[in-house]
Amino acid sequence: KQEVTQIPAALSVPEGENLVLNCSFTDSAIYNLQWFRQDPGKGLTSLLLIQSSQREQTSGRLNASLDKSSGRSTLYIAASQPGDSATYLCAFLQLAGGTSYGKLTFGQGTILTVHP
Amino acid sequence: DTGVSQDPRHKITKRGQNVTFRCDPISEHNRLYWYRQTLGQGPEFLTYFQNEAQLEKSRLLSDRFSAERPKGSFSTLEIQRTEQGDSAMYLCASSLVVASYGYTFGSGTRLTVV
Repeated sequence: KQEVTQIPAALSVPEGENLVLNCSFTDSAIYNLQWFRQDPGKGLTSLLLIQSSQREQTSGRLNASLDKSSGRSTLYIAASQPGDSATYLCAFLQLAGGTSYGKLTFGQGTILTVHP
Repeated sequence: DTGVSQDPRHKITKRGQNVTFRCDPISEHNRLYWYRQTLGQGPEFLTYFQNEAQLEKSRLLSDRFSAERPKGSFSTLEIQRTEQGDSAMYLCASSLVVASYGYTFGSGTRLTVV
């Protein structure tokens, strides 16, 4: 069974800092990886999607990497802003054998607070 | 298309009552998923539809839970005889058949059972 761990559970930084959120998984047979953002009481917003054949994806100040051999993914946020404050979730998709179907397995999230 | 829509946003109900939630996926997405998220945890898979067929149900989905997707469009999730442990955020997501494009989630329905 896929286990997903996110470290740290919570992080508080001053505005302008660069930061790294970590996500580790136990089964390297993943199809793709998504990083999501969740504001309090809201749904999930997809930030970045990395296919298993890719090493990283970038969008603006966000960069996500994937290392299947070590079972790790990181989300790098450059020049953090108070508006980045949210919970960040990583999720892995594994396909059921012989099908194109899979379900996401989520970590428990990292709560990020960026203070002015 | 404005994405995945869920209704209602919030629901407060008394223990023992039945509740029903609705999800409208992105129109061209064949696949629809229900997840449940409790406070401080990541979402957990409940069930999955491809078009109108319900293809997988989690063990988390007790007999009091039922989901439908008539005509392969919107979906409903009903909880009968609600219990306090059902209090959670219920999230709906949809995707194309080709999983490489990822999932799109709705804003969720927050259920509080009192």
